[in-house]
Amino acid sequence: QVQLVQSGAEVKNPGASVKISCKASGYTFTSYYVHWVRQAPGQGLEWMGGIDPRDGRTSYAQTFQGRVTVTRDTSTTTVYMEVTSLTSDDTAVYYCMREAVDDSPRGQPFDIWGQGTVVTVSS
Amino acid sequence: DIVMTQSPDSLAVSLGERATINCKSGHSVLDSSNNKNYLAWYQQKPGQPPKLLIYWASTRESGVPDRFSGSGSGTDFTLTISSLQAEDVAVYYCQQCFSTPYTFGQGTKLEIK
Repeated sequence: QVQLVQSGAEVKNPGASVKISCKASGYTFTSYYVHWVRQAPGQGLEWMGGIDPRDGRTSYAQTFQGRVTVTRDTSTTTVYMEVTSLTSDDTAVYYCMREAVDDSPRGQPFDIWGQGTVVTVSS
Repeated sequence: DIVMTQSPDSLAVSLGERATINCKSGHSVLDSSNNKNYLAWYQQKPGQPPKLLIYWASTRESGVPDRFSGSGSGTDFTLTISSLQAEDVAVYYCQQCFSTPYTFGQGTKLEIK
């Protein structure tokens, strides 16, 4: 079935980096963008960025520009997100989700979400 | 960035009654070239990822019960649950996909009265 399966929970020290994976299956990988959203404890949803799996072109929220990198491996249909210079404010659940590729300037809804990856930043 | 504001922040409704959640965008999310509103609604239950309920403001995602409906255009939108069921207890988010950065409302917590 169509699914996005994320890597497991991570615990990191402040200043470290974390790299989370999102494995896509059950659909044509290049037909859907993959995005990342995070949710701090008890808080709402914050879009971080996304990638076009066809060519690897990325888009990031200004808040995360320079600190977040999203990549993809088409051979394994996996998308990765790396966050550097972690602080306690980065403690959150990180979700990947897909959006249908549509070359219009407007977006499509996120119809499939990964299960989430808990990242805890603590010394 | 397009700011999305939901109201109320929390809501308690009796089983079988109607629940209404509002969402206002700081910029119109209506694309006049195709008359589509780029507004989606998601439901999030504790410990789970969000689930897509409604897109293009009023189109129900496959498998979503018909007691869920969306309405509105431009900058003002509404999610309505016509007859609240116990399994509808969740936090509901609106989201605009009109332009990046895609932004979400702060969420509305729906509980049983």
